[in-house]
Amino acid sequence: EAAVTQSPRNKVAVTGGKVTLSCNQTNNHNNMYWYRQDTGHGLRLIHYSYGAGSTEKGDIPDGYKASRPSQENFSLILELATPSQTSVYFCASGDSGAPYEQYFGPGTRLTVL
Amino acid sequence: EQQVQQSPASLVLQEGENAELQCSFSIFTNQVQWFYQRPGGRLVSLLYNPSGTKQSGRLTSTTVIKERRSSLHISSSQITDSGTYLCAMGLSGSFNKLTFGAGTRLAVCP
Repeated sequence: EAAVTQSPRNKVAVTGGKVTLSCNQTNNHNNMYWYRQDTGHGLRLIHYSYGAGSTEKGDIPDGYKASRPSQENFSLILELATPSQTSVYFCASGDSGAPYEQYFGPGTRLTVL
Repeated sequence: EQQVQQSPASLVLQEGENAELQCSFSIFTNQVQWFYQRPGGRLVSLLYNPSGTKQSGRLTSTTVIKERRSSLHISSSQITDSGTYLCAMGLSGSFNKLTFGAGTRLAVCP
């Protein structure tokens, strides 16, 4: 199974501060994704990437930036964190060809005070 | 907007009973993936089943594309099956982005 890791696993940030969440995958997948999971909303797509150097907006990109410096790494950046961004964030990777399975990391629990 | 509806929202079983979880889609899809999640835990991929029937151990998924639905059957439930089951759909050619349902929360009691 694909290995996807995330760091940090837990993060407490202050309102207005900058937060960077990191994701690494070791299976040479082209596509990577950032989701957030909230009670009542389920999992929602924030940003995704189809290869090194690319980032695309998902369904809820406002307040987030993404960076894909290499095939293996995909970061989610909160330039000015707000309490509404308190959530659990999941990174996933998947190949661009069939089968189109996605593999998820363990998640990062972010609390913005 | 793509939508995924899951039913039931929650389910309580006695150990050994079978469970049938349902997922319906607002559009035709060629990507269906079922996940399992413990509270606060990682999403674990159970089955990727874009069409037809697939089995993995005690799990059987059936996806009927023309009816825009998929089901997950859990046979002989165990206490360790307790958790949330998520269904997700996507479209190949759109970078395989997934849209998730709200999940079915399963509790298996002794």
